[in-house]
Amino acid sequence: AQSVTQLDSQVPVFEEAPVELRCNYSSSVSVYLFWYVQYPNQGLQLLLKYLSGSTLVKGINGFEAEFNKSQTSFHLRKPSVHISDTAEYFCAVSTPLKDSSYKLIFGSGTRLLVRP
Amino acid sequence: EAGVAQSPRYKIIEKRQSVAFWCNPISGHATLYWYQQILGQGPKLLIQFQNNGVVDDSQLPKDRFSAERLKGVDSTLKIQPAKLEDSAVYLCASSLGVSNEQFFGPGTRLTVL
Repeated sequence: AQSVTQLDSQVPVFEEAPVELRCNYSSSVSVYLFWYVQYPNQGLQLLLKYLSGSTLVKGINGFEAEFNKSQTSFHLRKPSVHISDTAEYFCAVSTPLKDSSYKLIFGSGTRLLVRP
Repeated sequence: EAGVAQSPRYKIIEKRQSVAFWCNPISGHATLYWYQQILGQGPKLLIQFQNNGVVDDSQLPKDRFSAERLKGVDSTLKIQPAKLEDSAVYLCASSLGVSNEQFFGPGTRLTVL
């Protein structure tokens, strides 16, 4: 069975500093990987996704993530964070199904707290 | 383009009462999802519709939860009777098709006392 582990429940960081949010997954087959952001009292918004191809994926708002198959990781990075990046970030994994659909399995989330 | 709409945004009920949530997906989206997000956890898929048919309801507690998507557009999720452990945010999402990006609504926060 697939699972996702987000090791850090909260990551405090100062504004303009770099940040890395860690995500590890377990799956015996090929996977799709996703990062979502959830701002307070809002739904989830897709930041970026890895389906195939280049292991370095660039997303919205200056975020990027790198797929590392040997370490089964998909860590999210941003070189310089802004106050407005304060939110909950969710990593998700899915195995592509026969009909090209996918079922998302989410991690427990990491709260990014950007301080001035 | 209007996003996924959900109502109500907040609901407080006592255990053993019934409650219903409504979701209106983005126009033209054939696939609709209901997720349950318990505090401190990631969303968990409860049920997935393709048009008005159920694709996956393997994690829906069918003894108390039910969902329908009549006419393949908007959808309702019902809990009857509610338990304390049902306190959560219920998220609705929609996508053009089963392999497309999911767009999430703002959610309904349910508190069961």
